[in-house]
Amino acid sequence: GAGVSQSPSNKVTEKGKDVELRCDPISGHTALYWYRQSLGQGLEFLIYFQGNSAPDKSGLPSDRFSAERTGGSVSTLTIQRTQQEDSAVYLCASSLGPTGTHEQYFGPGTRLTVT
Amino acid sequence: QQQVKQSPQSLIVQKGGISIINCAYENTAFDYFPWYQQFPGKGPALLIAIRPDVSEKKEGRFTISFNKSAKQFSLHIMDSQPGDSATYFCAAIETSGSRLTFGEGTQLTVNP
Repeated sequence: GAGVSQSPSNKVTEKGKDVELRCDPISGHTALYWYRQSLGQGLEFLIYFQGNSAPDKSGLPSDRFSAERTGGSVSTLTIQRTQQEDSAVYLCASSLGPTGTHEQYFGPGTRLTVT
Repeated sequence: QQQVKQSPQSLIVQKGGISIINCAYENTAFDYFPWYQQFPGKGPALLIAIRPDVSEKKEGRFTISFNKSAKQFSLHIMDSQPGDSATYFCAAIETSGSRLTFGEGTQLTVNP
């Protein structure tokens, strides 16, 4: 079956612009996660959704970052007023259930470059 | 706060050799320890995982060794192949929780 898909695969934006990154999880997966992968910071957790609610958004680095999930499926990560330090690969993952016992399946990521 | 420390940062081995990557954790609430393999341009993929009630788990050429008292675990890749060249991440999670905490990653190169 189809895995986690993310779009766009690459995004170049100017500093100060807003960007939206999209994640389509595996069908039937109730849990969805966003992580950020950058040089020097490794893989960082950003936010976790169970259904449409986000019980853990503690990893969002600033109030410029927000995310939503609709219909228990697609999620959008929005970064407002982008800064150069936002340049990274943004990874989405989904899992069958809400707890750590369920494997998290990762998408290919969106590479964001802020110029 | 880096809760999972991974070493080495990079590793070069010859084909047929053994690759060993080490991780140490601080949070004693972690109770599930997966290893992920990532190829360039791809997302991380689960390779093998272990719970702290066992000291070793083997799947094919991949083995995890776990030392609960030392709060350390390691990945051994036996008979390393050029196709194993990738970045490997250890991770930890509380099974009651949701977020994975990753190590910094190890870039493995297996020379033919």
